[in-house]
Amino acid sequence: DAGVTQSPTHLIKTRGQQVTLRCSPKSGHDTVSWYQQALGQGPQFIFQYYEEEERQRGNFPDRFSGHQFPNYSSELNVNALLLGDSALYLCASSSGFWQPQHFGDGTRLSIL
Amino acid sequence: KQEVTQIPAALSVPEGENLVLNCSFTDSAIYNLQWFRQDPGKGLTSLLLIQSSQREQTSGRLNASLDKSSGRSTLYIAASQPGDSATYLCAVSPNNNDMRFGAGTRLTVKP
Repeated sequence: DAGVTQSPTHLIKTRGQQVTLRCSPKSGHDTVSWYQQALGQGPQFIFQYYEEEERQRGNFPDRFSGHQFPNYSSELNVNALLLGDSALYLCASSSGFWQPQHFGDGTRLSIL
Repeated sequence: KQEVTQIPAALSVPEGENLVLNCSFTDSAIYNLQWFRQDPGKGLTSLLLIQSSQREQTSGRLNASLDKSSGRSTLYIAASQPGDSATYLCAVSPNNNDMRFGAGTRLTVKP
């Protein structure tokens, strides 16, 4: 039973570019959350998707957007990349509103 | 606004020692509290989840306690091993949508 899978593992971009990160939830999970983790810090909540809708959003600008597909997989899009967007981006999935979240290994994004 | 603090930021102990990691939070209106382990460059592995109505949870050598009224949780690790070396993160959630994390405690267990 595959857990949460994220792609790509690593990504290097330059300032001003756009990036798309992908997440496949654990089998049986329908809810996907995205987190940003800067070096030496705890993860920060970006947003959560359920039934293809953004259910809740953290304190992130509109440059961060997402999408959930009918098969429950999800994408995180970041436009106009800034140096400060360099971080580990984590995806987590769960099987319901009150169920524990399971995390993937993340995508390491570096902005030059 | 919920703030989560973890003390100490780093801890180094010899193998076999029992140790305690601390987590404090400012808003007691939480749904649950979760302890995670994170190895370098990896994602988070859930260790223990305590619902707001519970006082503690145990798994093997790990025991986590929760005192909502004082805004504190502790993670107790018994008989530490070098394989326990990792960063330990505490997270509180008002509704399981939005988890607020501490910055973590980086643990090194020396052989």
